[in-house]
Amino acid sequence: KQEVTQIPAALSVPEGENLVLNCSFTDSAIYNLQWFRQDPGKGLTSLLLIQSSQREQTSGRLNASLDKSSGRSTLYIAASQPGDSATYLCAVTTSGTYKYIFGTGTRLKVLA
Amino acid sequence: NAGVTQTPKFRVLKTGQSMTLLCAQDMNHEYMYWYRQDPGMGLRLIHYSVGEGTTAKGEVPDGYNVSRLKKQNFLLGLESAAPSQTSVYFCASSPRGPIYGYTFGSGTRLTVV
Repeated sequence: KQEVTQIPAALSVPEGENLVLNCSFTDSAIYNLQWFRQDPGKGLTSLLLIQSSQREQTSGRLNASLDKSSGRSTLYIAASQPGDSATYLCAVTTSGTYKYIFGTGTRLKVLA
Repeated sequence: NAGVTQTPKFRVLKTGQSMTLLCAQDMNHEYMYWYRQDPGMGLRLIHYSVGEGTTAKGEVPDGYNVSRLKKQNFLLGLESAAPSQTSVYFCASSPRGPIYGYTFGSGTRLTVV
């Protein structure tokens, strides 16, 4: 059974710092991995989608990497801003299934 | 382009009442999903559909029913609401499965008293 873990559960950093969020999964037979952002009381916004054949994806100040063999993905946020404060969730879909399995998220607070 | 729209956004029910949550998407997506989100437990899949007229159970289907009579709509029903169903419910859609990624609605916050 696929399990997805995100550590740490919460993180506070000063504005301007570069930071890394971690996601690990137990079954390496994945189709893809997606990173989402969730603002308080809001829905999920897709940030980056990495297919199993890819090593990384970039969008602006965000870079997500994928290492299938070790069951890990990282989301790198450069030059963090207070507007980056949110909960970040990763989700994986395993080969042969129709669904994403989600981690419980990392709650990020960027202090001005 | 509305994307995925959920109605209602908020609802309070009494134990034993019934209700239907509506999810509508205008992207011609084949796959649709209902998740619930609870503190400390992440998002858990309730039911999903891989096309018009199809439905399937997810991880936590008990107490819920679904229907997909039209491709653009996916309905989630609670026949007899219980306090344990207090949660935030999210609908998502995908063109043809998770390999293409998900688009989420903004959620329905349901409280059962």
